[in-house]
Amino acid sequence: QKEVEQDPGPLSVPEGAIVSLNCTYSNSAFQYFMWYRQYSRKGPELLMYTYSSGNKEDGRFTAQVDKSSKYISLFIRDSQPSDSATYLCAMRGGTSYGKLTFGQGTILTVHP
Amino acid sequence: SQTIHQWPATLVQPVGSPLSLECTVEGTSNPNLYWYRQAAGRGLQLLFYSVGIGQISSEVPQNLSASRPQDRQFILSSKKLLLSDSGFYLCAWSEPLGGQPQHFGDGTRLSIL
Repeated sequence: QKEVEQDPGPLSVPEGAIVSLNCTYSNSAFQYFMWYRQYSRKGPELLMYTYSSGNKEDGRFTAQVDKSSKYISLFIRDSQPSDSATYLCAMRGGTSYGKLTFGQGTILTVHP
Repeated sequence: SQTIHQWPATLVQPVGSPLSLECTVEGTSNPNLYWYRQAAGRGLQLLFYSVGIGQISSEVPQNLSASRPQDRQFILSSKKLLLSDSGFYLCAWSEPLGGQPQHFGDGTRLSIL
């Protein structure tokens, strides 16, 4: 079993839809949770960074962490064609050097 | 603000040739530095990380090595490339304090022929 599971999709939605992306994990030592967006042939770009259970909102993006269920989500409201990308969840424990464990990534396409 | 640079963006090399990929970070001091490889349709695999000059830790035994000759410079090398070394190589940095997120460069796409 992988430490982090993420449905690779692909996911295709119409413009304006609410998108829900999810990851589950098995390692209780994970304390920090991230979502990255990766456009084709580019490096991952940090979207959201959370520590505690609960919700964190930034513009159209909301990150949700449920440590008791070992489940994290990213919601995108009013999705735009420019949101079309691969979304990677990542998480790490409390060590100082911060090794990240990534999900496989979900390919999202938002069509006009 | 901090920036990270990787070069080259793409590279085509024959099997058995050497490799040197360079990464530099600007706007920060004593960053943690990382090399990842991303295979098609897969997540990122950590190859090396460094918490200071000359300090390199390897996560995966392989045909590659890393060096950190200066505070904000990280180099990925190989003496003889294998076909299996093809992939997308990403450099990342984070602040040295615990709990900080990692920020990635735009990567090098390496093809071995």
